[in-house]
Amino acid sequence: AQTVTQSQPEMSVQEAETVTLSCTYDTSENNYYLFWYKQPPSRQMILVIRQEAYKQQNATENRFSVNFQKAAKSFSLKISDSQLGDTAMYFCAAGRRGTSYGKLTFGQGTILTVHP
Amino acid sequence: DAGVIQSPRHEVTEMGQEVTLRCKPISGHDYLFWYRQTMMRGLELLIYFNNNVPIDDSGMPEDRFSAKMPNASFSTLKIQPSEPRDSAVYFCASRKGLAGGYTYEQYFGPGTRLTVT
Repeated sequence: AQTVTQSQPEMSVQEAETVTLSCTYDTSENNYYLFWYKQPPSRQMILVIRQEAYKQQNATENRFSVNFQKAAKSFSLKISDSQLGDTAMYFCAAGRRGTSYGKLTFGQGTILTVHP
Repeated sequence: DAGVIQSPRHEVTEMGQEVTLRCKPISGHDYLFWYRQTMMRGLELLIYFNNNVPIDDSGMPEDRFSAKMPNASFSTLKIQPSEPRDSAVYFCASRKGLAGGYTYEQYFGPGTRLTVT
């Protein structure tokens, strides 16, 4: 079984600054994927970034990047140059890699507020 | 491409009534997931299908909940009879399978906000 823990219920940041959201996970699997999803007030769940566990290089998508520490089972999300539109709840998720395995396990979420 | 489509977007019903939520996955996606989101319990996976076959329904709360996927482009989640504690946002999500090239990320619909009074 996989567990995903987000220890920061809420975070805030000033516009244009950088913020890091934490996520730890526990899995006995060797092959897995990790994701960050964003849920703005519209409640639509939007994929932000994904990381394949077998890749050592940290994933980057524009202003979003991850710090993947496999040994520590840590997967933090860094948002650079924060914008007001980044205000949302952010979920970390983990999924096992395999032919028919489909589930993702989600953390409890971190509410991020970007202040002008 | 159209995203995952859910209907209705909002549903208000009285306790004891039957509720049916609908989902159309992204074309070509082989997996379909139903989630429930509440403040207290967060995001919970209820059931998921692979190629229209239910794979894991261990998250379905009780016999009042049922889900079907009669074909690759349509799924329903039914609650009968509904109770106030079923009030939540219900999400449908889909993802590619083997034929589409595994990418593992799930794409979510806009959700259905259900209120049972």
